[in-house]
Amino acid sequence: GIQVEQSPPDLILQEGANSTLRCNFSDSVNNLQWFHQNPWGQLINLFYIPSGTKQNGRLSATTVATERYSLLYISSSQTTDSGVYFCAVFAIIQGAQKLVFGQGTRLTINP
Amino acid sequence: EAQVTQNPRYLITVTGKKLTVTCSQNMNHEYMSWYRQDPGLGLRQIYYSMNVEVTDKGDVPEGYKVSRKEKRNFPLILESPSPNQTSLYFCASSPISKREDTDTQYFGPGTRLTVL
Repeated sequence: GIQVEQSPPDLILQEGANSTLRCNFSDSVNNLQWFHQNPWGQLINLFYIPSGTKQNGRLSATTVATERYSLLYISSSQTTDSGVYFCAVFAIIQGAQKLVFGQGTRLTINP
Repeated sequence: EAQVTQNPRYLITVTGKKLTVTCSQNMNHEYMSWYRQDPGLGLRQIYYSMNVEVTDKGDVPEGYKVSRKEKRNFPLILESPSPNQTSLYFCASSPISKREDTDTQYFGPGTRLTVL
């Protein structure tokens, strides 16, 4: 089945720093999403980005579908950016439609 | 406000006592699904539904049941809960695009279940 790998697994930064999170996937996908799980456990949809580049405030994402990776950029980090960032791809595996998640990148922003 | 709601948010129960976790969405989405999140294992899909009366198994369906009698509701049923079902559960919904993929997934707030 499709594999989704995220790097780095952990990232600790000071407030104000910039960061880049990476998501590699093993097969062609029609659907890639980035989520943020905040420290209270809520999953927040950040981007739906099967290809190209999108920006939303301090966050932006780029997916290069032909090379099977996506990047999430966070600029001028704030402590509220802390949490786990997941990428997920939608795949049809053995006839079943599944959203396959990476293992996540745990981001800690220190004041 | 567009949202996915789950109830209860927290539940402690005992082995074998049937329970239902409700999920409701107000966005008229066709696709709904349930996931469980466990440390070291990430998020895994339990069941999904493409539309009313259409449900199918995900990665880890054993010990769970679902139903989709109405478009907005997708309850998760544990007929005889066991301690290995202690987990954080998420319901999600999305529209279905023309390509029959799912579109942006919207997640509920999560239900933290403990089975003693």
